[in-house]
Amino acid sequence: LAKTTQPISMDSYEGQEVNITCSHNNIATNDYITWYQQFPSQGPRFIIQGYKTKVTNEVASLFIPADRKSSTLSLPRVSLSDTAVYYCLVGGNYGQNFVFGPGTRLSVLP
Amino acid sequence: GAVVSQHPSRVICKSGTSVKIECRSLDFQATTMFWYRQFPKQSLMLMATSNEGSKATYEQGVEKDKFLINHASLTLSTLTVASAHPEDSSFYICSASGQGIPKNIQYFGAGTRLSVL
Repeated sequence: LAKTTQPISMDSYEGQEVNITCSHNNIATNDYITWYQQFPSQGPRFIIQGYKTKVTNEVASLFIPADRKSSTLSLPRVSLSDTAVYYCLVGGNYGQNFVFGPGTRLSVLP
Repeated sequence: GAVVSQHPSRVICKSGTSVKIECRSLDFQATTMFWYRQFPKQSLMLMATSNEGSKATYEQGVEKDKFLINHASLTLSTLTVASAHPEDSSFYICSASGQGIPKNIQYFGAGTRLSVL
């Protein structure tokens, strides 16, 4: 069960690129890295998932170095609506024992 | 992405009553469903994992007789909070994974806020 470590909070301004790094030093060979976004009083929303190198979708990019002991979620040109808590999860098959850490509370300022 | 519907979104009840929360996968077959609770300003805490047709696996410290989980079909799981008390007030969230979805991705319901008076 890989434990993850993220910054508790981050501030940014509209239009900036935001990078949130997650450490997972004891990630297992078959573990994937998945990021979720959660707004207050809502369920988390899937953002992006990766195994190695770089993954990009319409919302974000995920950078994973060769040793896979960390990953960085990159949000391009954030807006006020990106203010949320971002969780990094590491796990293998069918969400076995996915443990949510405290997440990173991102505040986007005007 | 896959859609998970959770109902009701808000429940207010008197102490001692039982509350049922439904979680449905609308466009995929959910072989596995998860139930979480979340207190204000805190992270999600996994309560139990249920596979269709079998008994749920509860996390340590979660009372099986208090939080009854049923996953009788591939599209529906229910959580019943038996004889709810004020300390059970929380935000309950379900998620699902299953056929046609990458194994390690969960899709979440919108959550149910339970307030026990």
